[in-house]
Amino acid sequence: DAGVIQSPRHEVTEMGQEVTLRCKPISGHDYLFWYRQTMMRGLELLIYFNNNVPIDDSGMPEDRFSAKMPNASFSTLKIQPSEPRDSAVYFCASSLAPPQPQHFGDGTRLSIL
Amino acid sequence: KQEVTQIPAALSVPEGENLVLNCSFTDSAIYNLQWFRQDPGKGLTSLLLIQSSQREQTSGRLNASLDKSSGRSTLYIAASQPGDSATYLCAVPFSGGYNKLIFGAGTRLAVHP
Repeated sequence: DAGVIQSPRHEVTEMGQEVTLRCKPISGHDYLFWYRQTMMRGLELLIYFNNNVPIDDSGMPEDRFSAKMPNASFSTLKIQPSEPRDSAVYFCASSLAPPQPQHFGDGTRLSIL
Repeated sequence: KQEVTQIPAALSVPEGENLVLNCSFTDSAIYNLQWFRQDPGKGLTSLLLIQSSQREQTSGRLNASLDKSSGRSTLYIAASQPGDSATYLCAVPFSGGYNKLIFGAGTRLAVHP
């Protein structure tokens, strides 16, 4: 059974460029979560979706961040324009209705130079 | 505002020892508490989920307890093995919420042969 799939695994780009992170949740999971992990702030929830609809985006740091879920099998997190402080590991997770456990992808390690 | 603290931040032990990892939270009105494991360069793997009505959960050599009134949970690892080396994180839902998780900073465990 395939887990949560994220791409790319690593992304290095220059400040000001647009960055798009992708996620394919586990089939049948109707909740999708985007997290950011840094040494300073730990693991933080950015946004989550239920049945493709954004429910809570209060963790999105700035207007430069946006997330979409056009269908049940695909979601994107976009940063435009990117800044060095956006450097982090970004995780996508999916689950059945909570409190079922969330299943995490292996993350995208993003470096903004 | 819910805050989650994990002690110790790091732990190094010889193989075979029994271990206790601690997690505390400030708002006791939680629906559940989860323990996760994170291996280097990987996402999180759910280990145990304790509902608010439960006092403990067991899976193999792992046992997690929950004391809501005191705002504490412990993860007990019996007969530790080098393969247990990882970072262990606990998480609880945001105050009054159910879907959004707030994570502790984790305990980094190293078990040496």
